[in-house]
Amino acid sequence: DSGVTQTPKHLITATGQRVTLRCSPRSGDLSVYWYQQSLDQGLQFLIQYYNGEERAKGNILERFSAQQFPDLHSELNLSSLELGDSALYFCASSVSTSGGHNEQFFGPGTRLTVL
Amino acid sequence: QQQVKQSPQSLIVQKGGISIINCAYENTAFDYFPWYQQFPGKGPALLIAIRPDVSEKKEGRFTISFNKSAKQFSLHIMDSQPGDSATYFCAASKEGAGSYQLTFGKGTKLSVIP
Repeated sequence: DSGVTQTPKHLITATGQRVTLRCSPRSGDLSVYWYQQSLDQGLQFLIQYYNGEERAKGNILERFSAQQFPDLHSELNLSSLELGDSALYFCASSVSTSGGHNEQFFGPGTRLTVL
Repeated sequence: QQQVKQSPQSLIVQKGGISIINCAYENTAFDYFPWYQQFPGKGPALLIAIRPDVSEKKEGRFTISFNKSAKQFSLHIMDSQPGDSATYFCAASKEGAGSYQLTFGKGTKLSVIP
């Protein structure tokens, strides 16, 4: 158990809908990263938040957005869903974003299925 | 543009054998190279990591070999066990404006047969 929690575990929805994925980082971790894992693209970085502020963006679609709240949990919002958005979505947390690389601890993921 | 290329896609190894997975990167700014292990239904978990100032790092049965000039690194699993059967991802990272996002290879599915 990495200490990172993600809810829900599974999500099934229809095209055009909007969903919210939730992540609670490990206690004390200020940084949250979101990754998408699909069969064709593999694991891809989407976006990172540090202590409530957006720090970096990767291959994140404009239909997707995220935020990190004062209690440090993060939410990834996916809207106007398409079939191709079906994937596993992971969040990872790390202790700090300064002072060099720190281990990123991954949550168990949310499996999104768009029908 | 795939910045980290990983091979092979799948690997079958006899119990007790050596598993070798290779990765190559393009961006010379990368300065941290972790390997992650993922079991079905679980998130990736850090296995071992190396920085480019060393050529090898060993932790138990797991060894990373790093060749900076060739921009390649590999994972060796000695005395492979059925419990090592999982998908392995190499990754690379560089510091950018306080972010350390990981760029992953496509993964190698390892099966260790008794």
